[in-house]
Amino acid sequence: QSALTQPASVSGSPGQSITISCTGTSSDVGGYNYVSWYQQHPGKAPKVVIYDVSNRPSGVSYRLSGSKSGNTASLTISGLQAEDEADYYCTSYTSSSTYVFGTGTKVTVL
Amino acid sequence: EVQLVESGGGLVQPGGSLRLSCAASGFTFSDYAMTWVRQAPGKGLEWVSIISSGGSNTFYADSVKGRFTVSRVKSTKTFYMQMSSLRAEDTAVYYCAKKGPSGTAYFDSWGQGTLVTVSS
Repeated sequence: QSALTQPASVSGSPGQSITISCTGTSSDVGGYNYVSWYQQHPGKAPKVVIYDVSNRPSGVSYRLSGSKSGNTASLTISGLQAEDEADYYCTSYTSSSTYVFGTGTKVTVL
Repeated sequence: EVQLVESGGGLVQPGGSLRLSCAASGFTFSDYAMTWVRQAPGKGLEWVSIISSGGSNTFYADSVKGRFTVSRVKSTKTFYMQMSSLRAEDTAVYYCAKKGPSGTAYFDSWGQGTLVTVSS
């Protein structure tokens, strides 16, 4: 159950687009369309922003989108805004019927 | 509105035990799997355990297998995690979360967390 691999940090200027990658294996990310992404602001509980690879929950900005290719999933934030500054975590269902989180990515809006 | 309220955290000595509770409201409790996720101070999220909607199936992270046990009580809409043989590395904020509908695999609602500190 090794954590999925994410970049430690990603930054961008307001209005730009950024992409966060999430790399796993064929036993998790690559094996199922069950990747979700969570946004966490300091001191707050996580909030789901993308589920099942590319679905956006009600109320989540259209500027956030998800995709997957092979063993790597991605979260793209377009039109970066100050409110997007947060930590982001991916997670995947696994072949052991468990879940595994990514290492987390700190997004900074310059 | 879905509400999840954790309780039971606190300071415990290494080797000790603690039981966390998660009180659920605002949804049909018996229809959804429930999960625990933890976050050590200054660290990332770590998935801990999950219990099926009916309570018959449970799964655990390797890091807690054999030491933690999850359960649920339909009548009181409460989800539990019994933690034993606690170690310093179990120190974390523990969140309970509700899994999404059947056929999906994500956690759509979260509590605010309860802090567990394992220290002598």
